[in-house]
Amino acid sequence: DGGITQSPKYLFRKEGQNVTLSCEQNLNHDAMYWYRQDPGQGLRLIYYSQIVNDFQKGDIAEGYSVSREKKESFPLTVTSAQKNPTAFYLCASTGEAKNIQYFGAGTRLSVL
Amino acid sequence: GIQVEQSPPDLILQEGANSTLRCNFSDSVNNLQWFHQNPWGQLINLFYIPSGTKQNGRLSATTVATERYSLLYISSSQTTDSGVYFCAVDASLYGQNFVFGPGTRLSVLP
Repeated sequence: DGGITQSPKYLFRKEGQNVTLSCEQNLNHDAMYWYRQDPGQGLRLIYYSQIVNDFQKGDIAEGYSVSREKKESFPLTVTSAQKNPTAFYLCASTGEAKNIQYFGAGTRLSVL
Repeated sequence: GIQVEQSPPDLILQEGANSTLRCNFSDSVNNLQWFHQNPWGQLINLFYIPSGTKQNGRLSATTVATERYSLLYISSSQTTDSGVYFCAVDASLYGQNFVFGPGTRLSVLP
């Protein structure tokens, strides 16, 4: 089945630690996105990538980093510089028309 | 940047009732999507609807692009319709990506 796979479902971070969230898609989509969702809130864009080896900051990029070495993969690293990382993280992708976003199931990150 | 508003913020219905959710956006957009976020957090595409009307079972949506709003209709609601409904617009005309509204939280009671 085609889709977007995020892992892990749940992740715990210790203070000062970097953690990486995985996002893989087999939809052959060019564009991929990372969003952050805080409880009771909407989605805010962290980073996006329109093509391999290229990515741009979204609205709340500070404390996060990404890479896009393969079309299928767009991992997000939550660095120790992100002081309030507890949130639900969603990965999405769009096809050539860039009109319909498809989402993964999300990763819940908590701080120990 | 473009602003997206949704109303009402919260809605409680008895099973079997109908409802209308609204999405207003401040500028012209290329496209608009409606999503349902289930209690586990998964976002499910409901409609891609830059203009006009679409129907899918008990759900239908209408976008009036010239007046900058979209409506999502839920008829004969079921408890499984509970969750948060988001609209999102493609704001690439303005150098932005997809902009999400704050959502409408729907609770359908048995």
